[in-house]
Amino acid sequence: DAKTTQPPSMDCAEGRAANLPCNHSTISGNEYVYWYRQIHSQGPQYIIHGLKNNETNEMASLIITEDRKSSTLILPHATLRDTAVYYCIVSGSGNTGKLIFGQGTTLQVKP
Amino acid sequence: GAGVSQSPSNKVTEKGKDVELRCDPISGHTALYWYRQSLGQGLEFLIYFQGNSAPDKSGLPSDRFSAERTGGSVSTLTIQRTQQEDSAVYLCASSATGTGYYEQYFGPGTRLTVT
Repeated sequence: DAKTTQPPSMDCAEGRAANLPCNHSTISGNEYVYWYRQIHSQGPQYIIHGLKNNETNEMASLIITEDRKSSTLILPHATLRDTAVYYCIVSGSGNTGKLIFGQGTTLQVKP
Repeated sequence: GAGVSQSPSNKVTEKGKDVELRCDPISGHTALYWYRQSLGQGLEFLIYFQGNSAPDKSGLPSDRFSAERTGGSVSTLTIQRTQQEDSAVYLCASSATGTGYYEQYFGPGTRLTVT
């Protein structure tokens, strides 16, 4: 079973920041938080990952709470092309890297 | 550079027939994964290969499913005596290592329809 909980759907206005929450209250010390997204009819795409510090790359920012029990993916300026299912995944070295996907959050970016 | 490729992109087969699905990972990636995505089950892990180590087959749903990876590169997923519940999109991914600290790059998938 997935170790994360996400809202099933969210809307965001184009150009605004999209903030996608994820709960992972049972995360263990050596497990990373990964975010992937899946645009319709395509394979999943890696976005970002983190352990305990906040991370930023060209696609997004990842904010992880101090207790590591939850995180937020931030898309700073959402575009229509960001409409996708976003998956928050917890995975550690003991899991051979395999990803256990939950149901994810369907983000609809609206003009 | 080239990404992960999969073939065929679509496969329609009759119930009871065997099928082979192919995955070409990114050159130099030592870890290779198979997943499948069906309407009722979402995305689920099937099998994992890392270098010359024994594969992690813990996600294979039945003994009708098998996979091999030849020469540490190309992988083939074989489904014997296909059933209608095998209909799904089969996705392959590769990563630089299998430690879980590196992102996985996914192919476009093979859509399998069993009639």
